[in-house]
Amino acid sequence: RKEVEQDPGPFNVPEGATVAFNCTYSNSASQSFFWYRQDCRKEPKLLMSVYSSGNEDGRFTAQLNRASQYISLLIRDSKLSDSATYLCVVNPPGGKLIFGQGTELSVKP
Amino acid sequence: NAGVTQTPKFRILKIGQSMTLQCTQDMNHNYMYWYRQDPGMGLKLIYYSVGAGITDKGEVPNGYNVSRSTTEDFPLRLELAAPSQTSVYFCASRGTSGRAATGELFFGEGSRLTVL
Repeated sequence: RKEVEQDPGPFNVPEGATVAFNCTYSNSASQSFFWYRQDCRKEPKLLMSVYSSGNEDGRFTAQLNRASQYISLLIRDSKLSDSATYLCVVNPPGGKLIFGQGTELSVKP
Repeated sequence: NAGVTQTPKFRILKIGQSMTLQCTQDMNHNYMYWYRQDPGMGLKLIYYSVGAGITDKGEVPNGYNVSRSTTEDFPLRLELAAPSQTSVYFCASRGTSGRAATGELFFGEGSRLTVL
């Protein structure tokens, strides 16, 4: 089993739609979790950290379920500018940061 | 602020050649990472380092070597380049807060390597 697995893409949605991405991880001792965004093969950039209680940043909501070992990202009211690849990142013990394979989102007018 | 600097940005190698990708950060970060990204895929961890003098294998270390003699520098060496090593390589660093590392990775702009 891969350390980190994401929903396969691509997701094609109209503007204004709500879209959700899920990500599962295999190491139950993983300590922290993140969502990154990557545009057009540029370097990834941190979108948000994922906290145990769940957290929101504008139109973006991240959730963590430790019992089921998955994290999620919800994007409300999708904009054209949200089109990108979204990568979940997991920090197992020891300093590694492991990326999922990424989910491509395409928001259409 | 320079942040994380990777060189070269582009390189074409012949099969069997060797080369070193350079990575330098000026943020005094303890943690540094090398990833590779193949088309349509996520980032795969090659090697990482939690401090000067310490390195560890990641998910795909075969065919690569690293060293961490200083906090600032984390070069990645390819010995005997193979076509399977054609990829985009990203170096990254992150800081520490007390004993726990913070989450945000600071990336270099990437190095696009082609092996023919």
